[in-house]
Amino acid sequence: NAGVTQTPKFQVLKTGQSMTLQCAQDMNHEYMSWYRQDPGMGLRLIHYSVGAGITDQGEVPNGYNVSRSTTEDFPLRLLSAAPSQTSVYFCASSSISYTQYFGPGTRLTVL
Amino acid sequence: AQKVTQAQTEISVVEKEDVTLDCVYETRDTTYYLFWYKQPPSGELVFLIRRNSFDEQNEISGRYSWNFQKSTSSFNFTITASQVVDSAVYFCALSEANYGGSQGNLIFGKGTKLSVKP
Repeated sequence: NAGVTQTPKFQVLKTGQSMTLQCAQDMNHEYMSWYRQDPGMGLRLIHYSVGAGITDQGEVPNGYNVSRSTTEDFPLRLLSAAPSQTSVYFCASSSISYTQYFGPGTRLTVL
Repeated sequence: AQKVTQAQTEISVVEKEDVTLDCVYETRDTTYYLFWYKQPPSGELVFLIRRNSFDEQNEISGRYSWNFQKSTSSFNFTITASQVVDSAVYFCALSEANYGGSQGNLIFGKGTKLSVKP
């Protein structure tokens, strides 16, 4: 039981490039979400999904896209990377217990 | 609006001291959940505890204890006899029980960095 996995662990992009951060969970959780962590800001919700085929925006969705074709996977796409998207990205999943379990994070730098 | 405030940005203690991390929350919901997460220097987020709004019992787990007081909208975390391994950033978070999908969304405080010196 791997829990929540994220790839890659580190990524450097140039401004304007696009990429996808991968997230997968093997706990059969319906709810999945993406957060970004910036110094002094805590974690802020980007997008979330309550089940396959259902996604919605969080607090800071601009510049990001998501889809949920399976229960297990919830990729986050950066459409055209900007330096303001330099951050640490965490994926999380939860069951009906409301407790969210987080992946190890992806540290993204946009030059 | 929902909000979580952790007024202590950084705390430094000497090993074996007791330390309390403060958390104050705001919500208009009557049903909600409160959480504490630990983020050690390695960077992962470790779940510590979940409390629902109907359960005001304090909880103790080893050296950790939590004091939930609805009257003051606080959910404070105490580490007794702190150890160097407790050095981490601790986050308090709130989730509102909005039936319809967003119930898992967490609102985080900005975190308290705890440094425990030997």
